[in-house]
Amino acid sequence: NAGVMQNPRHLVRRRGQEARLRCSPMKGHSHVYWYRQLPEEGLKFMVYLQKENIIDESGMPKERFSAEFPKEGPSILRIQQVVRGDSAAYFCASSPTQGVGQPQHFGDGTRLSIL
Amino acid sequence: AQKITQTQPGMFVQEKEAVTLDCTYDTSDQSYGLFWYKQPSSGEMIFLIYQGSYDEQNATEGRYSLNFQKARKSANLVISASQLGDSAMYFCAMRPYNFNKFYFGSGTKLNVKP
Repeated sequence: NAGVMQNPRHLVRRRGQEARLRCSPMKGHSHVYWYRQLPEEGLKFMVYLQKENIIDESGMPKERFSAEFPKEGPSILRIQQVVRGDSAAYFCASSPTQGVGQPQHFGDGTRLSIL
Repeated sequence: AQKITQTQPGMFVQEKEAVTLDCTYDTSDQSYGLFWYKQPSSGEMIFLIYQGSYDEQNATEGRYSLNFQKARKSANLVISASQLGDSAMYFCAMRPYNFNKFYFGSGTKLNVKP
């Protein structure tokens, strides 16, 4: 039973380019979450999606960042015109339900480096 | 406001001894979930243990147990019989009932000495 799959594992971009991070949730999981982790810090919530819907994007910067979870295919976190401050590890998590006791299962993360 | 505090940036423990990692939280929700995750140097996030706010007994999972003191708003992780493979970052997280997201602490780096 495959876990949450994220790719790429490492991504290098130059300032001004676009970064696309992909996440395939665990089988049977329809709830997807994206978190960002800066060095030496904990994870910070960015966005919560269900299939074709953004449920909560309160943690996502208003500009340059967008997320989607289409009916078919993985969830995508897109960062346009990247800047040095976007360098971080981006984690995707999924869960089968949204119950308060439901653990979120994380992927291995994408480490984004901006040159 | 929801907040998780881990006051120990780093901890050392001797192999085979027990260690307690501290976590306090702040929430106005009456119902919430508390979670601990392990992050080895390889970077993945591994779910360890869960405690519900209405659970009367402390959660246990193998060598992991959660010392839950609701009145103090603390949810400390106890690792018994430490192993070298326990060396990692440990994050406490909370999921309040009214918010469908996790709030994470800043983590504790545990080093197990042989």
